[in-house]
Amino acid sequence: KQEVTQIPAALSVPEGENLVLNCSFTDSAIYNLQWFRQDPGKGLTSLLLIQSSQREQTSGRLNASLDKSSGRSTLYIAASQPGDSATYLCAVGNNAGNMLTFGGGTRLMVKP
Amino acid sequence: NAGVTQTPKFQVLKTGQSMTLQCAQDMNHEYMSWYRQDPGMGLRLIHYSVGAGITDQGEVPNGYNVSRSTTEDFPLRLLSAAPSQTSVYFCASSYGRGPAANEKLFFGSGTQLSVL
Repeated sequence: KQEVTQIPAALSVPEGENLVLNCSFTDSAIYNLQWFRQDPGKGLTSLLLIQSSQREQTSGRLNASLDKSSGRSTLYIAASQPGDSATYLCAVGNNAGNMLTFGGGTRLMVKP
Repeated sequence: NAGVTQTPKFQVLKTGQSMTLQCAQDMNHEYMSWYRQDPGMGLRLIHYSVGAGITDQGEVPNGYNVSRSTTEDFPLRLLSAAPSQTSVYFCASSYGRGPAANEKLFFGSGTQLSVL
């Protein structure tokens, strides 16, 4: 059974720092990997989707990488801002592509 | 554009009661799904649908029923609520076959359910 782990569970950084969030998964036979953002009391917003054949995706200050062989993905946030404060979740699509397995999330606080 | 709309936002039930959580999307998405989010366990897939008349089980389907009579709506039914079903429920939709088509998911804002 696929297991997805996100470390650290919580992270606090000063504004302006570059930071990396980590996601690891146990089964490398994945279809894709997505990173989501969740604000308190709200639903999830998809940030980036990396297909299994891709190594990375970029959107603005966000860059996500995927290393299937080692079962790892990272989300890089450049020049962090207080508005980036949220919980970030990664989710791995199974090989059939019909189911996502989520990690527990990293709660990020960016202090002004 | 409303996106994915879930109702109600909050609900309190007594053990044994039944209820339906509503989900509607106005993006003409074929794929719709239901997740529950519990502290320390992340989001887990309950049921999903790749089109009207087609539904399938996810990781934790027991105690829940779904149907998909239209493209827009995907209600989740709790037949006999149990305290273990206390959770936050999210509906999500996407184009095509959803994750299987490398499509991003769009989430509703959730329903917080408490079963006493």
